[in-house]
Amino acid sequence: QSVLTQPPSMSAAPGQRVTISCFGGTSNIGYNYVSWYQHLPGTAPKLLIYDNNKRPSGIPDRFSGSKSGTSATLDITGLQTGDEADYYCAAWDISLSGPVLFGGGTKLTVL
Amino acid sequence: QVQLQESGPGLVKPSQTLSLTCTVSGGSIISGGYSWSWIRQHPGKGLEWIGYVSNSGSAIYNPSLKSRLNISIDTSKNHFSLRLSSVTAADTAVYYCARRGWSGSYQEYYFDYWGQGTLVTVSS
Repeated sequence: QSVLTQPPSMSAAPGQRVTISCFGGTSNIGYNYVSWYQHLPGTAPKLLIYDNNKRPSGIPDRFSGSKSGTSATLDITGLQTGDEADYYCAAWDISLSGPVLFGGGTKLTVL
Repeated sequence: QVQLQESGPGLVKPSQTLSLTCTVSGGSIISGGYSWSWIRQHPGKGLEWIGYVSNSGSAIYNPSLKSRLNISIDTSKNHFSLRLSSVTAADTAVYYCARRGWSGSYQEYYFDYWGQGTLVTVSS
């Protein structure tokens, strides 16, 4: 069981917006930056968001991240069928669980 | 463009040692202050961080795997390696290598480049 908690699955229609949550604790999300990754099966995971809310070059601004206290969210607007993937949050942890924790992943279905 | 590629046996017998290598291309493994990581995904499950090694060779491991784990770096070959001993079926997973980001003065809190992953099955 992951220390960072994400909803196992979410779905939305093309063009809509989805918000994926990631809940942690004071030793991880509450203490360090959060990053988000997009993973299509059989491919390399891709960094979407780092330092809570920054996008690497090439990531469209439809993807945004935020953090508040011990939780973080990934927002995806203007959903496209190509966004159908697994999404993971991650944070470094200062407790014995760490130092790197991933969420359990959220499978996003674009209907 | 940095690329990472995992390689190694796809089948390992129980109680034996799992050995994988990640070859880095498009950049030197010793440039900057990057550290080089292994992450795995059990079938149908989420990602699990295994550990990472710095370009100076110091390593940090997941406490749950530490007693069986060794991650090393070979700067002459521009690759780093994972050795996990006494494997069981619970070690069956897709294994990814990844690079931890570097700001220019400190290590970042994300993985910016990943390999495609390699499936390792533990079975007799």
